[in-house]
Amino acid sequence: KAGVTQTPRYLIKTRGQQVTLSCSPISGHRSVSWYQQTPGQGLQFLFEYFSETQRNKGNFPGRFSGRQFSNSRSEMNVSTLELGDSALYLCASSLALVRDEQFFGPGTRLTVL
Amino acid sequence: DQQVKQNSPSLSVQEGRISILNCDYTNSMFDYFLWYKKYPAEGPTFLISISSIKDKNEDGRFTVFLNKSAKHLSLHIVPSQPGDSAVYFCAASALNYGGSQGNLIFGKGTKLSVKP
Repeated sequence: KAGVTQTPRYLIKTRGQQVTLSCSPISGHRSVSWYQQTPGQGLQFLFEYFSETQRNKGNFPGRFSGRQFSNSRSEMNVSTLELGDSALYLCASSLALVRDEQFFGPGTRLTVL
Repeated sequence: DQQVKQNSPSLSVQEGRISILNCDYTNSMFDYFLWYKKYPAEGPTFLISISSIKDKNEDGRFTVFLNKSAKHLSLHIVPSQPGDSAVYFCAASALNYGGSQGNLIFGKGTKLSVKP
């Protein structure tokens, strides 16, 4: 069974640009969550999508947005990039049962210059 | 305000000995706890979890202990192996917290080094 895949793996952008990251969950998983990992803040929750609906959102500005498609694939978008957005962006999928673990992809390393 | 804290950024142990990684939480609504392991350039990998109705869960060399009154959990690795060297994250979730349970709250991680 294929794991969670994220594309691209690495990305370099400049301030003010926008970026779109993609995540394909494990087959059959309906929940996709996004996290930002930085050295200073660790792993921070961005948002969760389930059945194409955003179920929960973390404390990030509106520049961070996402969506989920009918095949459960998800994208996140960051507009007007800032230097502080440089981070590893991780996507995780789960079956969304009452208690189950999330399976993480390898992440997209975003560098903002 | 950090709701999940891992106060030791790093830990070094000898191969074959016990590794004990600690985690504290502040939100009493958390009722499910997980440990993840992360190697460089990879996403976190699920290790073991524990529900708040239990105080111990064991899986091979890994055991997680939960002390609800102290809002503390720990991960024991026995015996430690060099391949266990990684960053370990403690995470917590609460059913219906924010309307779902798909948002894990992570600690900042503890880097474990197991020396041969």
